[in-house]
Amino acid sequence: DTAVSQTPKYLVTQMGNDKSIKCEQNLGHDTMYWYKQDSKKFLKIMFSYNNKELIINETVPNRFSPKSPDKAHLNLHINSLELGDSAVYFCASSQVAGKGKLFFGSGTQLSVL
Amino acid sequence: GENVEQHPSTLSVQEGDSAVIKCTYSDSASNYFPWYKQELGKGPQLIIDIRSNVGEKKDQRIAVTLNKTAKHFSLHITETQPEDSAVYFCAASAPYNDYKLSFGAGTTVTVRA
Repeated sequence: DTAVSQTPKYLVTQMGNDKSIKCEQNLGHDTMYWYKQDSKKFLKIMFSYNNKELIINETVPNRFSPKSPDKAHLNLHINSLELGDSAVYFCASSQVAGKGKLFFGSGTQLSVL
Repeated sequence: GENVEQHPSTLSVQEGDSAVIKCTYSDSASNYFPWYKQELGKGPQLIIDIRSNVGEKKDQRIAVTLNKTAKHFSLHITETQPEDSAVYFCAASAPYNDYKLSFGAGTTVTVRA
């Protein structure tokens, strides 16, 4: 059973389109995250939700909107995609916010053409 | 906020030799230091972590040391094997900012057979 699963694994789209990435965790964790990994492998947090409540919102363009329908799901919707949005997006979860033991999904490779 | 620097960015070692990756952090309040391993096409996976009340921790061929005074911590991998080839990330978090891990830039480790 996959602990943190995200779909799709690959996403190729045109500039200006709107796309969504879905994430689900079956670990019973309270906190979920979205991270962006750029071409140089640098990992940067974008958002964090604890029990469906937004607790971290880094300086991310408001074209990015996370949605957490329940504590097992955290989806990422991106409007008006730009070339610079191309990256690998990772969903992660942790049992308790701030305890650091993150469990990552396998990533979504987003390519904006 | 916390700033984590990681060196080297790439490391090539002969199979059976040791590998050492070093990180420094800026926030003296940081008290949790995990290390993640990312294999090609996968998400980062926690391999070992250490808290500030401990100076060293070991798990089979992997060990982490922490020097709070100097604000640096290191990952040591002994008897390296080809499956140790991956990107390794250090990270740090502080109690007041427990929701957010600050990651180093990563070290690409290649184990030569």
